[in-house]
Order: sequence, then structure tokens, then C-alpha cells
Amino acid sequence: GAVVSQHPSWVICKSGTSVKIECRSLDFQATTMFWYRQFPKQSLMLMATSNEGSKATYEQGVEKDKFLINHASLTLSTLTVTSAHPEDSSFYICSARDRVEIPGYEQYFGPGTRLTVT
Amino acid sequence: GNSVTQMEGPVTLSEEAFLTINCTYTATGYPSLFWYVQYPGEGLQLLLKATKADDKGSNKGFEATYRKETTSFHLEKGSVQVSDSAVYFCALTLNTNAGKSTFGDGTTLTVKP
Repeated sequence: GAVVSQHPSWVICKSGTSVKIECRSLDFQATTMFWYRQFPKQSLMLMATSNEGSKATYEQGVEKDKFLINHASLTLSTLTVTSAHPEDSSFYICSARDRVEIPGYEQYFGPGTRLTVT
Repeated sequence: GNSVTQMEGPVTLSEEAFLTINCTYTATGYPSLFWYVQYPGEGLQLLLKATKADDKGSNKGFEATYRKETTSFHLEKGSVQVSDSAVYFCALTLNTNAGKSTFGDGTTLTVKP
């Protein structure tokens, strides 16, 4: 149980185009999903917290107009990188919390999406 | 603020050696503590967790004990295998912080046959 999927697993796009990444909780409902960015050999940087039916909360320094997050249902959140540039190339990981209150507030992580902007 | 400090890597061990990866934390509250493992090109997997002081999390031969007095959650394994080679992240989560997690920088473990 508690499986989170991401699609696509990797994507290459040209500079100036937009890319959408999907994060789905497959066997549970997630009121909260988190989007992270990870640079090579570095830790995870939280970009934003996505709550179903409301606007995402972005961390300081993250451009909300560039990284559009939509949490349209209890099982799906999307991250759209708009007007992508090579510096946006990174590994993007989502995680989800089960709607049912679980002690410890565990997050379930997706497998990640490798974005390369050429 | 909240922070997690992990032992710097990389760590290289021979198969069947004893592993310790240190983790200490600071938190404005009473956190839950986690160890996650990341294999190359993949997302994070929960390895173990502890939600209150003196709790011991364990999984796949790994153990960590929540020590409130020393604000630590060190990861240990008695006999590592080549398949344990990965990056290990220590993390804390506070309910008062919208459930957001704070991660350490990660420790890369390489186990040689």
C-alpha cells in the first residue's frame, strides 16, 4: 500500500517550452502533497506544499508563476514548469500524506522525474 | 528553526562491517524522526521511523533510537551488504509546521564486496 507514482519518469524539453509533471497517490487519498527539487549529490529542497482544493503554498525563493502547482483531486497533483530554461534541469520528487491521520506524519515519495532542458 | 545535521559522507565499508550514520536535530517542538533511503535514479523510500522519545525504529536490519536528551537519531546496522549501497537521509516532521519535513544533507554509503 501507500504507493505514489510520477509521470513522466524523465523528460527532455527545449528551452522556452512548458512541462507538466503528474504525481498520483494510487491507493490512498492525499489531502497534502509536497514537491521537492533535488540537485545532484544534494539534499531535497522543498518547493511547495500542495493542498487539495486550495492554492499551493510556496517556499521562500520559489517562483510561483514559474512552477505552477494544481492539486485538483485527492489523488492527483501536477507541477508545471513554465518557460523552462536549462537551469530548471533537475530531479523533481513529489510526496503525499495519507488523508487518514497517521501518527508520525509519514510521507510517501514518488520515484521522481528527471527534467532536462536543452 | 528546525534543522537536521547528518554525518558527512561518503562512507565506504566492506561487506559485513558495522554501520553508524550519525544524525542530530534541532526542532521547535516535538518531532517525529525518519530515515529514508534513496537508490540511484529513484525517489526516497522510508526505511524506519520513531514518533516519540526512546522509540526504536527498525527495518531490514537497520535500527535507530529516538534520543530526546541528546536530540539524536543515529542509524545503525550490524552487518552491511553490497545492496545497502545508497544515500541515506535523516528527517524530522512537526505537526505544527503543516507536516513539512526537514531533511539532512544525506550520507552516501558504498559497501564493497
